[in-house]
Amino acid sequence: NAGVTQTPKFQVLKTGQSMTLQCAQDMNHNSMYWYRQDPGMGLRLIYYSASEGTTDKGEVPNGYNVSRLNKREFSLRLESAAPSQTSVYFCASSDEWGLARNEQYFGPGTRLTVT
Amino acid sequence: DQQVKQNSPSLSVQEGRISILNCDYTNSMFDYFLWYKKYPAEGPTFLISISSIKDKNEDGRFTVFLNKSAKHLSLHIVPSQPGDSAVYFCAASDLQYNNNDMRFGAGTRLTVKP
Repeated sequence: NAGVTQTPKFQVLKTGQSMTLQCAQDMNHNSMYWYRQDPGMGLRLIYYSASEGTTDKGEVPNGYNVSRLNKREFSLRLESAAPSQTSVYFCASSDEWGLARNEQYFGPGTRLTVT
Repeated sequence: DQQVKQNSPSLSVQEGRISILNCDYTNSMFDYFLWYKKYPAEGPTFLISISSIKDKNEDGRFTVFLNKSAKHLSLHIVPSQPGDSAVYFCAASDLQYNNNDMRFGAGTRLTVKP
């Protein structure tokens, strides 16, 4: 059981470049999330997907798009990267039943630098 | 506007003593609270949670206390161990409105000295 996996682990982009961060989970969870973590800010929700085929905006969605490819995979795309998107990105998943739906399982993170 | 605040960026305690990490929130609609622990280069891991219908929840060395009138919760670790050294995030959600939109504090870095 790998849990939540993310690729790549590190990435450096130039301003204006695009890239896709990949996330996959093997726990058969319905809900998946993308967060960014910045110093002094904690984790902020970018987008989430409550079930396969649905996506919704979180607290800081601007500049990002997401795709829920299937139940296992949830990708985050930066179409035109900006230095303000330099951050550590975490993917998470959770079960849908009862209070367990709040107990999110996180991947190891992707450290992205935009120059 | 940060709805969950952890005002102490860091805390240092001696091994065997109690660690108390604090968290305040501003949204009175939050009804479920969680603590996550994060080691360097890893994702956060769930530690303990509490519903707003309770004022205390205990799991081994970890106890979370909730004071709804003060909009304050705290995590107690007794006794503290060097392996507890990590960043601790407080999180909150409004289960009735949108349980998917969880808000996190900025984190407190705990260092437990041997």
